[in-house]
Amino acid sequence: DAGVTQTPRHEVAEKGQTIILKCEPVSGHNDLFWYRQTKIQGLELLSYFRSKSLMEDGGAFKDRFKAEMLNSSFSTLKIQPTEPKDSAVYLCASSTGGSGNTLYFGEGSRLIVV
Amino acid sequence: QQKVQQSPESLIVPEGGMASLNCTFSDRNSQYFWWYRQHSGEGPKALMSIFSNGDKKEGRFTAHLNKASLHVSLHIKDSQPSDSALYFCAVKVGNYQLIWGSGTKLIIKP
Repeated sequence: DAGVTQTPRHEVAEKGQTIILKCEPVSGHNDLFWYRQTKIQGLELLSYFRSKSLMEDGGAFKDRFKAEMLNSSFSTLKIQPTEPKDSAVYLCASSTGGSGNTLYFGEGSRLIVV
Repeated sequence: QQKVQQSPESLIVPEGGMASLNCTFSDRNSQYFWWYRQHSGEGPKALMSIFSNGDKKEGRFTAHLNKASLHVSLHIKDSQPSDSALYFCAVKVGNYQLIWGSGTKLIIKP
């Protein structure tokens, strides 16, 4: 079975640009998560979808971050406009759902904003 | 609000030695716990889950959970250089949210 696939692996953007990160979850998984990872803040939840419905939109990340899931096998995270503080690794994860279910992560997309 | 703290921040263990990682949490109602491992340049990968008090062993890895003392630990026996990675403890709150520790950087010295 294919794992979680994220593209691009690396992205360099200029301040103010719009970037779109992509994620294909594990086939058959109902839950999809977007996380941001930095050394200082660690892992922060950006968005959570259950069966394609947005259940969590990340609170503090709402204004410039927008995650969408148009079908069960594809999700995007748009950052608009980008700022240097958005430089981080963006991780997508999926699971079958349920209380004790494990998250499966992609390799991540490393974003650098200059 | 649930707080998850890991110790130590970093750990150097000789090859073949035992590595012990610790995690404390604040909510006594927590039920679901995971250890994840992240190698450089990769996403985190689940190592073990533990949901009941006591020990759970999988190969060289043993997780221990003590809900009364709000403590979960991971022990790695016969450590290998490939075990060098960042290790996270994660605790489930509510229906979907995971609260993550800040990680322990483990270095296995050949």
